[in-house]
Amino acid sequence: AQRVTQPEKLLSVFKGAPVELKCNYSYSGSPELFWYVQYSRQRLQLLLRHISRESIKGFTADLNKGETSFHLKKPFAQEEDSAMYYCALRWASGTYKYIFGTGTRLKVLA
Amino acid sequence: DAGVIQSPRHEVTEMGQEVTLRCKPISGHDYLFWYRQTMMRGLELLIYFNNNVPIDDSGMPEDRFSAKMPNASFSTLKIQPSEPRDSAVYFCASSISGVNTGELFFGEGSRLTVL
Repeated sequence: AQRVTQPEKLLSVFKGAPVELKCNYSYSGSPELFWYVQYSRQRLQLLLRHISRESIKGFTADLNKGETSFHLKKPFAQEEDSAMYYCALRWASGTYKYIFGTGTRLKVLA
Repeated sequence: DAGVIQSPRHEVTEMGQEVTLRCKPISGHDYLFWYRQTMMRGLELLIYFNNNVPIDDSGMPEDRFSAKMPNASFSTLKIQPSEPRDSAVYFCASSISGVNTGELFFGEGSRLTVL
């Protein structure tokens, strides 16, 4: 069955340190994966999608089909990166059903 | 566009009472989703609609939960009777087909507390 796993509920790092938010998935076909972010008092919003291969706010995520992972990375964390991060998987190609992981709260300490 | 609009933002009710959450999707979006957010389970998909028709309600926890979409600009999620374990933040999101971005646009959420 399709599943998204985010093993860490909370991740604390110091400002300037590298960040890696883990996401693993189970999916039988070609997955489409996304990262969503929810800043304090803001709406949940799309951060990036794997098909775009883009860097947003310094964050990147590479799809590793061998390890079934889509970890979110940033080389130097900033305090404004503190937020809740959700990894999401499109249920199946051509559908519009998305399932989310349990989320990881990132705290960047000064 | 004001984005996805949800009401109420906060609801406190007593066990056994009926709760109705409302959502107005972004104009022109043909998909509407209801998610529930809890600390333990994260974001769970409850149900989603396409062109006002429910497509998948497999995430609806039990018969106490029901959702409707009478027209393209309005949806409700009803819990009757409510229980303390229903306490959560309920999000509505909308999306548009034909644009292969996979982006969901979320409302601000309705925080429900059942005493």
